[in-house]
Amino acid sequence: AQSVTQLDSQVPVFEEAPVELRCNYSSSVSVYLFWYVQYPNQGLQLLLKYLSGSTLVKGINGFEAEFNKSQTSFHLRKPSVHISDTAEYFCAPPGNAGGTSYGKLTFGQGTILTVHP
Amino acid sequence: DAGVIQSPRHEVTEMGQEVTLRCKPISGHDYLFWYRQTMMRGLELLIYFNNNVPIDDSGMPEDRFSAKMPNASFSTLKIQPSEPRDSAVYFCAVYRGRGDEQFFGPGTRLTVL
Repeated sequence: AQSVTQLDSQVPVFEEAPVELRCNYSSSVSVYLFWYVQYPNQGLQLLLKYLSGSTLVKGINGFEAEFNKSQTSFHLRKPSVHISDTAEYFCAPPGNAGGTSYGKLTFGQGTILTVHP
Repeated sequence: DAGVIQSPRHEVTEMGQEVTLRCKPISGHDYLFWYRQTMMRGLELLIYFNNNVPIDDSGMPEDRFSAKMPNASFSTLKIQPSEPRDSAVYFCAVYRGRGDEQFFGPGTRLTVL
């Protein structure tokens, strides 16, 4: 089964600064990876996903992530953050590449991004 | 939330009472998940269904918790009797299949006094 580690529990940044939220995964099988965002008092929503093809994936709100197989990482980046990006971000691979447990996502611990004016 | 409806949005109850949380998923999704989120434990998967059949309930904390999915458009999560430590936000999510995203409902904030 796959698992993820989000290396930072909290990331404070100033508005218009770049940000990177780190995610490392462990897997011996084919990899699908997702980043979800949770705004205050809301459910999670998909930010972006990597299934195959180009290792640089672009998502909503100017975020992008790069799948790095050699480093088993899927870090999330944004060149210039806005106050409205303040949220909690979750990295998630599927629980298993096959079988009945495939739909099960294994969410990381979450990274709280706080953007200060 | 992409159309996943959860009710109630907020529930305040007293210890020992029965609590029923409801989820109406959007159609066309074969998987349904129940999660619990707290500050201390983060996001935890409680149980998930595939085609209305419970597949993995290993995350259900105790026998006080039960979940049903009588049809493709409705699921419930019941806690009986409720305890203060059950206070959390409970999310329902659906998923269509390989490579698809999960669609989350807005959650039910449960407070057990």
